Amino acid sequence: SYELTQPPSVSVSPGQTARITCSGDGLQKQFASWYQQKPGQAPVVLIYKDTERPSGIPERFSGSSSGTTVTLTVSGVQAEDEADYYCQSTDSTGTYVFGTGTKVTVL
Amino acid sequence: QVQLQESGPGLVRPSQALSLTCTVSGGSINSGPYYWSWIRQPAGKGLEWIGHMYTSGTTNYNPSLKSRVTILGDTSKQQFSLKLTSVTAADTAVYYCARDQVGYDPVTGYYNRFDYWGHGTLVTVSS
Repeated sequence: SYELTQPPSVSVSPGQTARITCSGDGLQKQFASWYQQKPGQAPVVLIYKDTERPSGIPERFSGSSSGTTVTLTVSGVQAEDEADYYCQSTDSTGTYVFGTGTKVTVL
Repeated sequence: QVQLQESGPGLVRPSQALSLTCTVSGGSINSGPYYWSWIRQPAGKGLEWIGHMYTSGTTNYNPSLKSRVTILGDTSKQQFSLKLTSVTAADTAVYYCARDQVGYDPVTGYYNRFDYWGHGTLVTVSS
């Protein structure tokens, strides 16, 4: 089955930049979205179509894509950005797949 | 503002069927380009897409669950439902309903985002 692989954890100091990668063969052909999930809450979409940011999402969240990897970049990390982050894409059959998830810790 | 709310039993016996309903307000399940999805998350684990339906009645399910899943819509009540049969402890999770906004790029194809989610409801499978 199709898998999207993320690093289990990323640690970053306040004000620094966090980069979270998501790798999968299908990402060369399929777009990806990114979600932030805080404890006890539903996920919130941060990025879609690899690089598009929905209205209301701070500009410090950005997305990029290169080959089989998409990256979520959080610039000027704030304490409130401590959360779990998931990428999501689609396989060749139209099945949606989520990444393995990355826990971001703000030091 | 679109809102989604899950409802249903919090405890299901093993081998029985899990049934949940998602009520949509501030929007219509009749309108495109939206699909209506179910997603689940076991405690401490990641997200798993279960399946979705479109206003036409078209459905698509995760192959890993397809033999046990049915998603139906009731446009008169602005609700859509999930039925998962033959449940085991592995089906214990928080279940979310979500709106799936789908778009099309003429160069690179379809893309989606889950733009509205319910708060989630915990379903425990236990005797």
